[in-house]
Amino acid sequence: GIQVEQSPPDLILQEGANSTLRCNFSDSVNNLQWFHQNPWGQLINLFYIPSGTKQNGRLSATTVATERYSLLYISSSQTTDSGVYFCAVDKDTGNQFYFGTGTSLTVIP
Amino acid sequence: NAGVMQNPRHLVRRRGQEARLRCSPMKGHSHVYWYRQLPEEGLKFMVYLQKENIIDESGMPKERFSAEFPKEGPSILRIQQVVRGDSAAYFCASSPTSREQFFGPGTRLTVL
Repeated sequence: GIQVEQSPPDLILQEGANSTLRCNFSDSVNNLQWFHQNPWGQLINLFYIPSGTKQNGRLSATTVATERYSLLYISSSQTTDSGVYFCAVDKDTGNQFYFGTGTSLTVIP
Repeated sequence: NAGVMQNPRHLVRRRGQEARLRCSPMKGHSHVYWYRQLPEEGLKFMVYLQKENIIDESGMPKERFSAEFPKEGPSILRIQQVVRGDSAAYFCASSPTSREQFFGPGTRLTVL
């Protein structure tokens, strides 16, 4: 399978700060998604981004597939951003996603 | 368009009982995936199904676990003779194209 490494494992931010989360993967991939798992355990789709750059409000993501990494940017963080951020990749279209171990983000007021 | 539905949201079973988890994919989605999340860990793939077919079950334990996605009705993940190690959150995801996956709220299984 594909190895997915996320960094940092834990992050504590003051409200209003910016952050960058990284996802490295060990093989070429066809699909890549970023998720936010909120404190209630629900998985929220953030981005479907196998390559390129996307933005959605205060969040943006960039995937450089040739170099096997993706970045998630969170600007002007809010307490509601707290939770665990997962990167998931799929090598062969339509099969299983391999999840990273996540970045646990805590935003303090 | 309603999201992926899972029920029950919480399930408590005693060792040796059966657990039956249901997943209704989003309308128009014919691809269904099941994942398991142990405490403090990421999600691990279990099985990938399309209507009436198991496409990939490489992540599912060979014994006690089975999954189906019938022509009519929800997908079912069935765990027979549950043990304490089966306690976890079980997530279902669906996709219209086998690319982007959309996750349900999960079923938290507790085995006493």
